[in-house]
Amino acid sequence: ILNVEQSPQSLHVQEGDSTNFTCSFPSSNFYALHWYRWETAKSPEALFVMTLNGDEKKKGRISATLNTKEGYSYLYIKGSQPEDSATYLCAFTSGTYKYIFGTGTRLKVLA
Amino acid sequence: NAGVTQTPKFRVLKTGQSMTLLCAQDMNHEYMYWYRQDPGMGLRLIHYSVGEGTTAKGEVPDGYNVSRLKKQNFLLGLESAAPSQTSVYFCASSYSKETGPQGYTFGSGTRLTVV
Repeated sequence: ILNVEQSPQSLHVQEGDSTNFTCSFPSSNFYALHWYRWETAKSPEALFVMTLNGDEKKKGRISATLNTKEGYSYLYIKGSQPEDSATYLCAFTSGTYKYIFGTGTRLKVLA
Repeated sequence: NAGVTQTPKFRVLKTGQSMTLLCAQDMNHEYMYWYRQDPGMGLRLIHYSVGEGTTAKGEVPDGYNVSRLKKQNFLLGLESAAPSQTSVYFCASSYSKETGPQGYTFGSGTRLTVV
């Protein structure tokens, strides 16, 4: 059974702080790694899809890096704002094109 | 608005009752999926469909049945609900297996409680 783990499980930061969290996934049969932002009672919003070792993606204050050899991806948020409060979910896709989702990191940004 | 619509949004069932969750998408997507989300666990795939008239088992199919009679609809059925099926259910759709940067389009979820 393939496992995708995210850490920490939850995080509280002050407005303006920068933060980062980790997604660990199997390093074999890698196809893609997706990051989603998921607000309570809403549908997950796709942030990034990363396919190549060393990939770095950026969207506003949010960026992500990928290391397929060691099986991890980092998501960074620079200058966190209250509207960044959400669950950040990663999903690993192997060559079989099935998603395996992580448990998510629940971020709360305090004003 | 285009997207994935799930009905109902909330439901409380008694143990042993049956119900059907409906997922409808208007994006002409071939692939549709049913997931459940439980505290401390990632989204887990229940069943999926790669096209009209086809269904396949996912990671946790037991206790559920599905049907895809029309391309735009994917139904999830619980024949005899159990408390272990208390969960939030998410439907998703995608254009193909290789969904690319868009990933899946998710519905907003159905919160089911079985008492």
